Amino acid sequence: DIVMTQSPDSLAVSLGERATINCKSSQSVLYSSNNKNYLTWYQQKTGQPPKLLIYWASTRESGVPDRFSGSGSGTDFTLTISSLQAEDVAVYYCLQYYDTPYTFGQGTKLEIK
Amino acid sequence: EVQLVESGGGLVQPGGSLKLSCAASGFSFSDSAIHWVRQASGKGLEWVGRIRSKAKNFATDYAASVKGRFTIARDESKSTAYLQMNSLKSADTAVYYCAYNWTHWGQGTLVTVSS
Repeated sequence: DIVMTQSPDSLAVSLGERATINCKSSQSVLYSSNNKNYLTWYQQKTGQPPKLLIYWASTRESGVPDRFSGSGSGTDFTLTISSLQAEDVAVYYCLQYYDTPYTFGQGTKLEIK
Repeated sequence: EVQLVESGGGLVQPGGSLKLSCAASGFSFSDSAIHWVRQASGKGLEWVGRIRSKAKNFATDYAASVKGRFTIARDESKSTAYLQMNSLKSADTAVYYCAYNWTHWGQGTLVTVSS
């Protein structure tokens, strides 16, 4: 199974500052035939289902503010929020859908400092 | 508009069974894989399983934690996917979500396994 490890587990950032969340997979999730990383990022607010932010590791979903960006390839990935807003308080998850069993990171709780 | 609506959750005793439904609309259900994901209270997300489309022979895959106890099926005529859960354990207590294409998720349905 591919193990997804996020860091940190929790993060407190001041409003307007940058927030960075990392996700590392135990093996590559880059599919060589199409050069795509099978990695998504989700935001989950309390009592709500996950909301897709980023797919293919770096493609922003339609409607997602451009302060959210994804980067990385292979086994190391990063979600960056360039200027934290109050509404960004949530838990963030990465997911690999390269191979079954599909696996999520353990989640990173983002709070306001 | 893409919509996924789960139903069928509730309280069930250990060892019991429950069948969840995921009614889909707003996209080509017949061309799509449907995933089930669960989340215990205060915990992270856990993939439960997936059923692929007819073109992919309705192939299913399951997490090791549910394999042999849970079965995913689908009814193309109703645009609905199902999660049949048997031999339920307290560890299966969670909100169960269905998801399409990893882009759209339902609101979830709560399953509580307790005596």
